[in-house]
This record gives sequence, C-alpha cells and structure tokens, in this order.
Amino acid sequence: GAGVSQSPSNKVTEKGKDVELRCDPISGHTALYWYRQRLGQGLEFLIYFQGNSAPDKSGLPSDRFSAERTGESVSTLTIQRTQQEDSAVYLCASRPGLAGVEQYFGPGTRLTVT
Amino acid sequence: AQSVAQPEDQVNVAEGNPLTVKCTYSVSGNPYLFWYVQYPNRGLQFLLKYITGDNLVKGSYGFEAEFNKSQTSFHLKKPSALVSDSALYFCAVRDTAGGSQGNLIFGKGTKLSVKP
Repeated sequence: GAGVSQSPSNKVTEKGKDVELRCDPISGHTALYWYRQRLGQGLEFLIYFQGNSAPDKSGLPSDRFSAERTGESVSTLTIQRTQQEDSAVYLCASRPGLAGVEQYFGPGTRLTVT
Repeated sequence: AQSVAQPEDQVNVAEGNPLTVKCTYSVSGNPYLFWYVQYPNRGLQFLLKYITGDNLVKGSYGFEAEFNKSQTSFHLKKPSALVSDSALYFCAVRDTAGGSQGNLIFGKGTKLSVKP
C-alpha cells in the first residue's frame, strides 16, 4: 500500500524566507510525528499529533516553527524567517495510533537555507 | 535522562562475514527498542523491534537483534553481510516520559560499509 509521502523532496530557500513542508501519512494512521535530521546526526523529535487531541509541541526549537494537521490527514510544518541552522532533512512519520508502536517514515524533505 | 548510544560511527565488514552494530540505551521503565535503516536519500525503514518476550528478535532482510537487560544493550546482528546492506543504521527507544505519545529517541547512527 501507499507509504508516507512528503513534499517537496528538496527545498532551497534564502535566509529570512518562510517555508512550508507537507506530509501525507498512511491512510488510517492517527499518530503523526515530525523529526529533524541534521547532517551526521540522529533524528530530533519536533512535534506529535494524535487524532484530534492537542499536539505535543515540546520538541519545536523556537517559535519560528509551527505545524498543523487537519483531522487525521495531511500535516504541514512551517518555518518562518528561516536561518542557516534550519538546514536539515525534515522527516515525517506516522503510526496506527495507540495500537501500533513502530513508526513509518516518509522520504523526507531536504531543506537548504542559503 | 533517556538516551540511546551508538558507540561506533562506522563499521566495516567484508561480504559474507557476520556483522554487529552496537546500541545501548538508558530509559525508565521497560524499553521499547527499534532498529531502522536509512539508504542514501531515502527515509528510514523499520527493521525490527523489541517490546517483550524473546530476547532475540528477528526482522527484515535477515537482521536480528539481541536484547540484553543487564547490559542495557540492543545490538543489531546479521550472520552473513551483503554489499547491499551498506547503509546508515539507527537504534531508537520509545520515550517513556511522554506517556503514550510514543515519540522515539534516536542514536546518532552507525554507517555500515560492506566491501566485496
């Protein structure tokens, strides 16, 4: 079946511009996560959505970062006034909710801030 | 604090030889442990998990991992490495501090290089 998809696959932006990254989770998966992967590093948790509950934003590094999700479908991660240190691969993952434990990852969006 | 350590940045193995990629963890309560593999320019692919039961868990592509509670380790193994196994491997533990949200804490990754 279809996996997690993300768009765009690559994004190059100038410092100070806003960017929006999109994630389409696996159909029926109620839990959705955003992670950031800096070069040579592991993944850092950013934000978690579970169904219609309030998201857990505890991993967002600054107030320039925000994310939304409509119901149990698409999510967008927005970074305002991008900085060079925001350059990373942004990965989205979904899982089937409380019954499932493993997460299924999308291919990621590689963001480069020049 | 909860954490995952992968002590080796890189592991080099000859094709056909056994491989081990090391992982140790620190978490409160019973750990849920995972291995993921990342090929170049691809997302992470789930390999295997340990939740409870048998300490030796089998996963995709012939990989297995051994859970050792006393050593707080979850090393990834394969009896006979293939060149196509060359990739970046991540160990992860489910964050138990966040209740049921299930976000993962990842190690920094180990690059596996299998030479013909």
